[in-house]
Amino acid sequence: KNQVEQSPQSLIILEGKNCTLQCNYTVSPFSNLRWYKQDTGRGPVSLTIMTFSENTKSNGRYTATLDADTKQSSLHITASQLSDSASYICVVSKGGSYIPTFGRGTSLIVHP
Amino acid sequence: NAGVTQTPKFRILKIGQSMTLQCTQDMNHNYMYWYRQDPGMGLKLIYYSVGAGITDKGEVPNGYNVSRSTTEDFPLRLELAAPSQTSVYFCASSYRHLLLGPGAYEQYFGPGTRLTVT
Repeated sequence: KNQVEQSPQSLIILEGKNCTLQCNYTVSPFSNLRWYKQDTGRGPVSLTIMTFSENTKSNGRYTATLDADTKQSSLHITASQLSDSASYICVVSKGGSYIPTFGRGTSLIVHP
Repeated sequence: NAGVTQTPKFRILKIGQSMTLQCTQDMNHNYMYWYRQDPGMGLKLIYYSVGAGITDKGEVPNGYNVSRSTTEDFPLRLELAAPSQTSVYFCASSYRHLLLGPGAYEQYFGPGTRLTVT
């Protein structure tokens, strides 16, 4: 069964600190992996999209990594800000499929 | 370019009532989706459409119906509302990222409709 598991489920950090969120998947054959940010009360917004051949992609203070061999991805947030408080969702797509598999998300709270 | 819009933003229904959640996209995307998101859970696919006139069931279709008469609109119908349908509903549309290979469909989400059934 195609699955996407995220850890931790929730995380609390102080403003200015760094953090790393994890995503493990069993989706096969792999096509691409996306990280979404979902603010409270809003729809998810794409942060990065990575294909099989990419192992790092950055979007400002967000850096995603992908290890297609171990089927793991991480999202690293540098110098966190209060506005980073949100749910971060890992989404993996199969080759040729337009229906992606969603993780449950990691809830991040950044305290001042 | 408004992207994906959903109405209403909030709604309270009584058990047994019916309603339609509206979804419109102005990006000329062929693919559209309806998801529900329960607290602490991931998004679950209710229905999807690959183009006007074509719809198919997702993971949790029971209690819902959809139609796709135009490329832009993809309404979701609840016929006999039940408390189990209390959730936040998201509509999304997508296009194929041609440069990223097969399966690279970039999804854009609407702001969601928060539905409570009591």
